[in-house]
Amino acid sequence: GAVVSQHPSWVICKSGTSVKIECRSLDFQATTMFWYRQFPKQSLMLMATSNEGSKATYEQGVEKDKFLINHASLTLSTLTVTSAHPEDSSFYICSVSRPGRDYSPLHFGNGTRLTVT
Amino acid sequence: SQQGEEDPQALSIQEGENATMNCSYKTSINNLQWYRQNSGRGLVHLILIRSNEREKHSGRLRVTLDTSKKSSSLLITASRAADTASYFCATDRNSKLTFGKGITLSVRP
Repeated sequence: GAVVSQHPSWVICKSGTSVKIECRSLDFQATTMFWYRQFPKQSLMLMATSNEGSKATYEQGVEKDKFLINHASLTLSTLTVTSAHPEDSSFYICSVSRPGRDYSPLHFGNGTRLTVT
Repeated sequence: SQQGEEDPQALSIQEGENATMNCSYKTSINNLQWYRQNSGRGLVHLILIRSNEREKHSGRLRVTLDTSKKSSSLLITASRAADTASYFCATDRNSKLTFGKGITLSVRP
């Protein structure tokens, strides 16, 4: 069964509004979750690492005030795209790594297709 | 910055044939992983090979790793139409995964 649940699977919003995407770890407690962004026919680009109980670590070039990440519990991380613009339209995917294991592969959610009109 | 680079970018084969996909990278790694993505979906982990391993098998999958050439290959044997998807290699360095651009595999029935 699914290890990671991501919601919503798609969302259309108007320019200037904010959108929240949820990522839940179903199978285990995840102290760390990762948020990726993927443009059509492109690779996944790591946006940030979400750490439970502390601030997220953002990759270079990612605006932390625009992409707000909250990891308030061991099973839930949220990504909020604030004041969305059409250029924020993309496929956002979260992933978790099973804790306590070396070289653990990532488990991915099914992604959220964001379209900003 | 991009780490893994796959080739070819697109591959079309007949069902039953083998598919070979290659990945090259630039820096040292802890391990290399291959993932599959169906259109509009999340990624599914296929196989992981550690930096001290040279070859690994999982069902119809065979992955090799040559750290001296900084390259890896993924072989899918006896391909099926259901194998049609995008395949990504990802290099793990200090627990941070960096993905390549992916290879689009089409298996014709």
